[in-house]
Amino acid sequence: GAVVSQHPSRVICKSGTSVKIECRSLDFQATTMFWYRQFPKQSLMLMATSNEGSKATYEQGVEKDKFLINHASLTLSTLTVTSAHPEDSSFYICSARGIGRVVAEAFFGQGTRLTVV
Amino acid sequence: GIQVEQSPPDLILQEGANSTLRCNFSDSVNNLQWFHQNPWGQLINLFYIPSGTKQNGRLSATTVATERYSLLYISSSQTTDSGVYFCAVQTNQAGTALIFGKGTTLSVSS
Repeated sequence: GAVVSQHPSRVICKSGTSVKIECRSLDFQATTMFWYRQFPKQSLMLMATSNEGSKATYEQGVEKDKFLINHASLTLSTLTVTSAHPEDSSFYICSARGIGRVVAEAFFGQGTRLTVV
Repeated sequence: GIQVEQSPPDLILQEGANSTLRCNFSDSVNNLQWFHQNPWGQLINLFYIPSGTKQNGRLSATTVATERYSLLYISSSQTTDSGVYFCAVQTNQAGTALIFGKGTTLSVSS
């Protein structure tokens, strides 16, 4: 299967600071990337969809000014949590789907566990 | 939006037992995937199965798209099968994102 790499896997930051999470497709070009958030013992909730070279589309209830998404190339999307607060602590997972060996199947990164103190 | 319901929510098995996990969905789909989330949070792709039947070792899956359900079979379960199993679907109406069910938490004891 295709490989999606997410970095960092774990981050602890102070309240009020910003954190950037990277999501890379290593062996295929991802025309579309997705960002999900997962709270403990819950399912994955879609936050936003990003297409290379265009603005991200955010799900209802997700603050676009707080969760900045940049999909600058066909292999990289970034999520920046700005002015983080303890309630932003969660597990963030990216997914990619695109042209290449597999078109419809989605693959996921390893996830980033964010703790805001 | 589309509803994705998984059952049972929790399942406890002895090693060697077989199990069936179910995923019902409320609308037509053009993509359905099964995942296993390991204790570290990594989502492992099990099956991409918008329709039909597939098998991979001790795991198999069947999707009956016309009746809007999918089944994941685990045979001769092992302790390493423990974790959360998610079904996720994509519809034309929902754009291109996968929408997840709430998952089935499987615990296999030796």
